[in-house]
Amino acid sequence: GDSVTQMEGPVTLSEEAFLTINCTYTATGYPSLFWYVQYPGEGLQLLLKATKADDKGSNKGFEATYRKETTSFHLEKGSVQVSDSAVYFCALSDGTGGFKTIFGAGTRLFVKA
Amino acid sequence: GAVVSQHPSWVICKSGTSVKIECRSLDFQATTMFWYRQFPKQSLMLMATSNEGSKATYEQGVEKDKFLINHASLTLSTLTVTSAHPEDSSFYICSAGGSRRGETQYFGPGTRLLVL
Repeated sequence: GDSVTQMEGPVTLSEEAFLTINCTYTATGYPSLFWYVQYPGEGLQLLLKATKADDKGSNKGFEATYRKETTSFHLEKGSVQVSDSAVYFCALSDGTGGFKTIFGAGTRLFVKA
Repeated sequence: GAVVSQHPSWVICKSGTSVKIECRSLDFQATTMFWYRQFPKQSLMLMATSNEGSKATYEQGVEKDKFLINHASLTLSTLTVTSAHPEDSSFYICSAGGSRRGETQYFGPGTRLLVL
């Protein structure tokens, strides 16, 4: 079945450091890919998405490119801030699965001032 | 963006009682809503897909008689945890939208349930 694998956390960075959170997926169809962010005590917010190969999703300085050849959707940000501290979830939604969203395990990011 | 609300945000109940959680799409209609469960420091696990006007579709391993789902209108789905036990304590999150390719799913803020 479909699955999403993320790098394990926690990831601890200093402010203004470069961030990469790796995400790879397995899907039988042509999924849409998402990154969601969850701040402490809150629900999930969509951070960015890409619906087809080579699409780049971007928002708030975060970027991720849909790479079909490597089945990856790595999240990057050039300069993180303390306010970026949160849990980040990679996810896919595949029509062959009824468009249910499958989530990765989540990666916790701590940014130190 | 679209807004999904949940009520209550926090609930503490005694073992054996039932708890109802509401999920509302505030500014759009949703024929499909999803219910997730999240354990501490873990990912979201899909429990069921709630379909307006018909029975919910439950994921494997989720007891439909334990977790009753009703999707009575295009803006409201409810999850009732019947005869709750301490192991049902968790963070329950609903979402609406995302039932078509590329469509964004909007998540509620979650309901934290503690069963004593």
